[in-house]
Amino acid sequence: DAGVIQSPRHEVTEMGQEVTLRCKPISGHDYLFWYRQTMMRGLELLIYFNNNVPIDDSGMPEDRFSAKMPNASFSTLKIQPSEPRDSAVYFCASSFRRGGVVKGDTQYFGPGTRLTVL
Amino acid sequence: RKEVEQDPGPFNVPEGATVAFNCTYSNSASQSFFWYRQDCRKEPKLLMSVYSSGNEDGRFTAQLNRASQYISLLIRDSKLSDSATYLCVVNPTGRRALTFGSGTRLQVQP
Repeated sequence: DAGVIQSPRHEVTEMGQEVTLRCKPISGHDYLFWYRQTMMRGLELLIYFNNNVPIDDSGMPEDRFSAKMPNASFSTLKIQPSEPRDSAVYFCASSFRRGGVVKGDTQYFGPGTRLTVL
Repeated sequence: RKEVEQDPGPFNVPEGATVAFNCTYSNSASQSFFWYRQDCRKEPKLLMSVYSSGNEDGRFTAQLNRASQYISLLIRDSKLSDSATYLCVVNPTGRRALTFGSGTRLQVQP
């Protein structure tokens, strides 16, 4: 398996522009997570999905952030309008539940998108 | 108070040394615990799960102390390749998502 795929790997944009980050989870995984990592705040959960349905979006900073998962193999995180304080590395991760035993605790991370907002 | 707290380090140790990291968590109902490793400018990767009875994987030993709400990671015979940031991770009860500590940086020196 190719692992979790994220694009773009790097994004530089100007304040006020719309930014869309993309993620393809590992095939067969039913949980998808979006995290943000900064030096100041570490790794923070933004939102997660189960079977394409958003379950917990309490970590989304504000209305400028939105996330969708239209199908099991694709998710987007959108920032509109972007601000310099959104500069961070954004990780997507996926995990799975196997049979009746919860095996979803091992999360597999993508390589991340390094976002710089000028 | 943060949900998961770690000493940020850095821990600078010579090759072959034994080094230990601790982390504390605030939610006493937490059920699952892990150590993840993150190399510079890379994604976090699972190093090992932490079980109540303690567990060992080669040079790495993880232990959980529920009474005191802390988790430890011991690395024996440190290698240069062990240089990384080690993230303490807790799965709070009722949530599928993980809560990450800010990480402890280890630098193994020749």
